[in-house]
Amino acid sequence: NAGVTQTPKFQVLKTGQSMTLQCAQDMNHNSMYWYRQDPGMGLRLIYYSASEGTTDKGEVPNGYNVSRLNKREFSLRLESAAPSQTSVYFCASIQGRGGNTEAFFGQGTRLTVV
Amino acid sequence: SQKIEQNSEALNIQEGKTATLTCNYTNYSPAYLQWYRQDPGRGPVFLLLIRENEKEKRKERLKVTFDTTLKQSLFHITASQPADSATYLCALGYSSASKIIFGSGTRLSIRP
Repeated sequence: NAGVTQTPKFQVLKTGQSMTLQCAQDMNHNSMYWYRQDPGMGLRLIYYSASEGTTDKGEVPNGYNVSRLNKREFSLRLESAAPSQTSVYFCASIQGRGGNTEAFFGQGTRLTVV
Repeated sequence: SQKIEQNSEALNIQEGKTATLTCNYTNYSPAYLQWYRQDPGRGPVFLLLIRENEKEKRKERLKVTFDTTLKQSLFHITASQPADSATYLCALGYSSASKIIFGSGTRLSIRP
């Protein structure tokens, strides 16, 4: 089992460029999440998808869009990258609500916008 | 909005002692609270979950308490080892929504 796989692991963008961060999970989980992590800020929720076909905004959605392509895949798109979006991005998947809500994280994508 | 506070200062503990980390939250109580471990350059890894109706949960050398009156969770590592050195994150979840909110984490360092 690969768990949660994120691609790419590293990326450097110029301001204004666009890119899509990919995330796939093989655990048949319903919910998937995108977080960004900055020094001293912890993990901040960008968007999440409670189930296939639904997406919702988190704490910091501005500048991002998401697509829940199917149950396995949840992508994060930066349409016009800005230096403030330099961060480490983590994708996570969760089986369900209530008691069994252990989050499984990918290895992260380290993004630098210059 | 919900705020989660974890001690931003690193915690340095002598090997063999008990490390205690604190997680405080404001506003409404979560349905459950989780603790994760994160090593440098890696994603967080789940450790323990405690529900709002539970006072304490244990797993091997780990113990978590949850006090909804104080709006606080304590995370204990007994007989600490240098391998326990990492950043520990607490996270809150709500039954009415699927999102999970994380604190900023506390870095724990266990010295031999």
